[in-house]
Amino acid sequence: DTAVSQTPKYLVTQMGNDKSIKCEQNLGHDTMYWYKQDSKKFLKIMFSYNNKELIINETVPNRFSPKSPDKAHLNLHINSLELGDSAVYFCASSQDSATGILNSPLHFGNGTRLTVT
Amino acid sequence: GENVEQHPSTLSVQEGDSAVIKCTYSDSASNYFPWYKQELGKRPQLIIDIRSNVGEKKDQRIAVTLNKTAKHFSLHITETQPEDSAVYFCAASKRAGYKLSFGAGTTVTVRA
Repeated sequence: DTAVSQTPKYLVTQMGNDKSIKCEQNLGHDTMYWYKQDSKKFLKIMFSYNNKELIINETVPNRFSPKSPDKAHLNLHINSLELGDSAVYFCASSQDSATGILNSPLHFGNGTRLTVT
Repeated sequence: GENVEQHPSTLSVQEGDSAVIKCTYSDSASNYFPWYKQELGKRPQLIIDIRSNVGEKKDQRIAVTLNKTAKHFSLHITETQPEDSAVYFCAASKRAGYKLSFGAGTTVTVRA
């Protein structure tokens, strides 16, 4: 029943590995996001997709590649993991459209705690 | 881009007292200001939001005020309870959801 679900919840891996985090929302929202929360709790947007189209791409290393197969899914693939990638990654969705101004807030998933050793 | 500053970074209050968190923003075009609460180990959840055409909004023990001229907005929690202990984030954007810029968070501890 979870509105925004992401897997896995925990991910422990070694430097240099490639890993993926999956996200799905069943709210019928048009827009999905990836946020990174570092050890100091700061929430920073990484990417945003609207109806499978990339609309926000913040200054993120190109080792991070989002993929949206449909508007209900937004996955995050990370290549060549580094120690500094350790963080909690939150997927989120909202009912915003690219052309309209709507009143929908962000709905976050439960987060994926990534630990790179 | 939008820059949101949030103060204080930590706040300890006695149960039953009020808590106030203040945020300032830089982009005068911002018109949507949500507040999120994040309990330990959990996801951020929206607790209240306000739009630029409104100066104040209240929901039970929580209220938010907005001063567009000064570009600051505040969260007020009255009659605090232990379950109010959490990290609170303010945010601002030009549209609901789009590229929300978050403040750095305030860790609120309610002492019993």
